[in-house]
Parts: sequence; C-alpha cells; structure tokens
Amino acid sequence: EAGVTQSPTHLIKTRGQQATLRCSPISGHTSVYWYQQALGLGLQFLLWYDEGEERNRGNFPPRFSGRQFPNYSSELNVNALELEDSALYLCASRIGSSGNTIYFGEGSWLTVV
Amino acid sequence: QKEVEQNSGPLSVPEGAIASLNCTYSDRGSQSFFWYRQYSGKSPELIMFIYSNGDKEDGRFTAQLNKASQYVSLLIRDSQPSDSATYLCAVNQGSGGGADGLTFGKGTHLIIQP
Repeated sequence: EAGVTQSPTHLIKTRGQQATLRCSPISGHTSVYWYQQALGLGLQFLLWYDEGEERNRGNFPPRFSGRQFPNYSSELNVNALELEDSALYLCASRIGSSGNTIYFGEGSWLTVV
Repeated sequence: QKEVEQNSGPLSVPEGAIASLNCTYSDRGSQSFFWYRQYSGKSPELIMFIYSNGDKEDGRFTAQLNKASQYVSLLIRDSQPSDSATYLCAVNQGSGGGADGLTFGKGTHLIIQP
C-alpha cells in the first residue's frame, strides 16, 4: 500500500514568486495536514483539510493557502515567497477526522532565493 | 498556547545501553501522545503512541506516560547505531490529529556511539 506521496521533492523559487506543493494521502484517508519544518525549528502546523474543507489553520499569514480535491489529494500554495519560507513542507494524512494518528510523506524542500 | 518541551541534546549513549528521552507538555487536556523518529533530511516516522498512564512496550521501545506530572518518555533498550536520529514528541487533545494536528516538540538529537 502506497504511503503519503508529495511532489515535488525539491523546489527552488525566487522571492516574490508563488510555490505550489502537492500531496496524495494514503488510500482511504480523508484528512490531510500540512506542516512546515524550518531549519533548526520544530514542526509547525499549517493547515488541516478534511472531506474537502479547510477545518483549521495554524498561525501563518494568509499567503499560505491550500485546498483539498474530491479525491482527497491536496495542494499547498505559498504566495509572495519570502526567504524565511525556505523549509521542509510535510504533508500527513489520517483516516477521517477522528482516526488514530497521522502518517507523514517524505516532504517537499522549498528553497527561496 | 500548547507547548511541548524536549531537551534538544545531543544525547550520546553507548551502543547496547538504554537511551532515555523525555518530554513535558503544558496542556492538561492532552489525551494522546506520540513519539516520532526523524532521520536527517527525512520525514518523521511514527514509533509509538500512548493514551493511558503507565508503560507501553513495543519491541525495544517503551513509552511511559504520567499525566499528573505532564510527562512522557521513551526508552530505547539495547541501543543500536541505527537508532541515531532526532526523536520528536507530539501531543494532542484527541485521539490523533484533531483540530490542529499534533503539537510537536523540537526534538531530541540522539547519538548512539558504537
């Protein structure tokens, strides 16, 4: 069974540009979480999607947004990129909105230059 | 503001010894507790979760929870060099995930010395 898959693995963007990251959850999982892990910092919660709707977002500016598609895959968009957006972006999925624990994908490395 | 605290380390342990990793959390309403292992440049991998006070064992790993003290720990017996990684403690009010996913500590860097 395939795990959580993310693309691209690496992405280099220029300050001010937009980045789009994609995630496919484990088959049967309907909840998708996005986290940011900047170098030397812990995992910071970004967004939670369940059944196609945004259920909650972390303490990030509105230029971080996303959506979940009918097949439960998700994308994260970061507009007006800033240098400090350089980080590992991790997607995780879970069965439903009350399922046990979450499982991470391999992440997407975003570098803003 | 929910907080999860871990000693960043590095924690250096000889091969074959017991590695003890500790975590404290601020939210008394927390109900579920997770340990993830993260190798450098890789994503976190779930090792164990624990919901009830006491010990939970899985192979060489034992998770310990004390809700009164707001403390959770992970013991790794017979430590191997392959156990060298950063260990993340994560906490949530519900069974897992939930409204804000999991609140993570910054992790403890563990080094197993051959």
